[in-house]
Amino acid sequence: QQKVQQSPESLIVPEGAMTSLNCTFSDSASQYFAWYRQHSGKAPKALMSIFSNGEKEEGRFTIHLNKASLHFSLHIRDSQPSDSALYLCAVSTGGYKVVFGSGTRLLVSP
Amino acid sequence: GGIITQTPKFLIGQEGQKLTLKCQQNFNHDTMYWYRQDSGKGLRLIYYSITENDLQKGDLSEGYDASREKKSSFSLTVTSAQKNEMAVFLCASRDKEVFFGKGTRLTVV
Repeated sequence: QQKVQQSPESLIVPEGAMTSLNCTFSDSASQYFAWYRQHSGKAPKALMSIFSNGEKEEGRFTIHLNKASLHFSLHIRDSQPSDSALYLCAVSTGGYKVVFGSGTRLLVSP
Repeated sequence: GGIITQTPKFLIGQEGQKLTLKCQQNFNHDTMYWYRQDSGKGLRLIYYSITENDLQKGDLSEGYDASREKKSSFSLTVTSAQKNEMAVFLCASRDKEVFFGKGTRLTVV
């Protein structure tokens, strides 16, 4: 049974700082690795995803995957107050079952 | 783009009651999901379905039933509501990314 864990549970960073969020998974056959963001009272929305080892950058966001370490991360450059939200990592094995982590609550203080 | 519609938005039930939550999507996605989210926490997978009439148990399926009679719809039944239970149930569908509905907020009194 896939186990997905996130750290830290919560994080406060000043505006303009770099934010780093972590996700570990247990099934080495996993193929889909993604980060979702959920603003208060809203539905989660996909931020970005990666399928193979390495890095992917989209604007201020970078996702980094290391399958051998069963770990992937999200880095937010120049964090903004509008980035304050619950961040959820998601992992899928075999293409259908998508398991989410327990979330990291990020607060970016102005 | 498409949309996922969940009904009702709010559901208040009595302890022991059987409660049904409904979900419709017009993305034409094959795979659909039900997740439970307790206040401020992560998402726990209850059931998923990879095509019409298919049902797969998630990690939290005990106490729930699901039904996928049409490609566009996926319903979830709480078989016996637990007193003081409070959670948001999120329906979702997927091609590459997962798209979510706005949720049904359940309160059991």
